Amino acid sequence: DAGVTQSPTHLIKTRGQQVTLRCSPISGHKSVSWYQQVLGQGPQFIFQYYEKEERGRGNFPDRFSARQFPNYSSELNVNALLLGDSALYLCASSDTGWISETQYFGPGTRLLVL
Amino acid sequence: SQQGEEDPQALSIQEGENATMNCSYKTSINNLQWYRQNSGRGLVHLILIRSNEREKHSGRLRVTLDTSKKSSSLLITASRAADTASYFCATDVSGNTPLVFGKGTRLSVIA
Repeated sequence: DAGVTQSPTHLIKTRGQQVTLRCSPISGHKSVSWYQQVLGQGPQFIFQYYEKEERGRGNFPDRFSARQFPNYSSELNVNALLLGDSALYLCASSDTGWISETQYFGPGTRLLVL
Repeated sequence: SQQGEEDPQALSIQEGENATMNCSYKTSINNLQWYRQNSGRGLVHLILIRSNEREKHSGRLRVTLDTSKKSSSLLITASRAADTASYFCATDVSGNTPLVFGKGTRLSVIA
């Protein structure tokens, strides 16, 4: 079975622009979580969606939004990009609705904001 | 906010040696997990240990948890060059709270 997939792998944007990142979970997984990982730090939780509903939100501004589709894939949107949004964005899926259970991560999307 | 902190920040060993890295956290936890990350790519789950467990094994990995000291250790025995990666601990307070990751330990295994 395919693992978690993310697209695109790399992205370059300029300040003020908007970006959409995409994630497809492992087949059968209904939970998708998004994390931001800044260089030299561990991943930081942004959102969790389970069965198309938001289950959790981390300490991120309203510029960050996400949604989950009927096929359980997900999109993360970031508006009005700042230089500090440059990071590796990781998507993870899980076969339970519990945020704290084992997460299966995708390879990430590396975003550079200039 | 509650966060695990790994120690040491970086570790360099020879192939065949054992590697031990530690994680300390601040408040009571529900689960503690260890993940591996190669070259800034996706994380791979290694082991989940629950707060009522003291030790778990998986292949060459051994994880211990001491809730009285609020600490965990990850031991990799007979290390290989392929074990070179960053290792993160992640904790949660309850089943419905998100994982909080530490900054990680960078392990280099020299052939």
